[in-house]
Amino acid sequence: DAMVIQNPRYQVTQFGKPVTLSCSQTLNHNVMYWYQQKSSQAPKLLFHYYDKDFNNEADTPDNFQSRRPNTSFCFLDIRSPGLGDAAMYLCATSRAAGVLETQYFGPGTRLLVL
Amino acid sequence: AQKITQTQPGMFVQEKEAVTLDCTYDTSDQSYGLFWYKQPSSGEMIFLIYQGSYDEQNATEGRYSLNFQKARKSANLVISASQLGDSAMYFCAMREVSNFGNEKLTFGTGTRLTIIP
Repeated sequence: DAMVIQNPRYQVTQFGKPVTLSCSQTLNHNVMYWYQQKSSQAPKLLFHYYDKDFNNEADTPDNFQSRRPNTSFCFLDIRSPGLGDAAMYLCATSRAAGVLETQYFGPGTRLLVL
Repeated sequence: AQKITQTQPGMFVQEKEAVTLDCTYDTSDQSYGLFWYKQPSSGEMIFLIYQGSYDEQNATEGRYSLNFQKARKSANLVISASQLGDSAMYFCAMREVSNFGNEKLTFGTGTRLTIIP
């Protein structure tokens, strides 16, 4: 089945130690998104790629970076995680950009910062 | 200003009953998409149903239907014959263009639905 895959499902890191979360998709979708969801809150968009074009949200901290080496894979890099970065990180894809396009989410990666 | 409003933080419903989850939205765009997602305790965000602003008929997907009232700017989710597995957080979301010129999905604050046996 076509799907969005995130690894690992759970990630523990130390304060200030760089960490990378990965997302892959078999849907061949053009757009990939990264969301941050803190406990009991709605997901918040960090950035997205349309093909190779990177689009950052204005309020996304510089501590968060992303890479998309090819259509299938997208990575979220947190350069120096703080305690406030502990959250669920959700990857999503959509076939194209556009207000009528559905986004499909992966299972998420729960990040714990010690 | 709140773009998506879900006024029910939590709901308890008896198994097999129908349930309506409320969602109102605010936009000046003519073209927009409205989505409902289910998020169980495992954390995965599961797409349920979609309604385009130009769709004249209410969307339906199995036990899920979307009661779309464009003039009132509401897009309520109706779940018929609720099951224990429906217990989860439900998010209403709207696709829009952000202030930064990017398209994004804006979520409401969610409704936690609990189905009682």
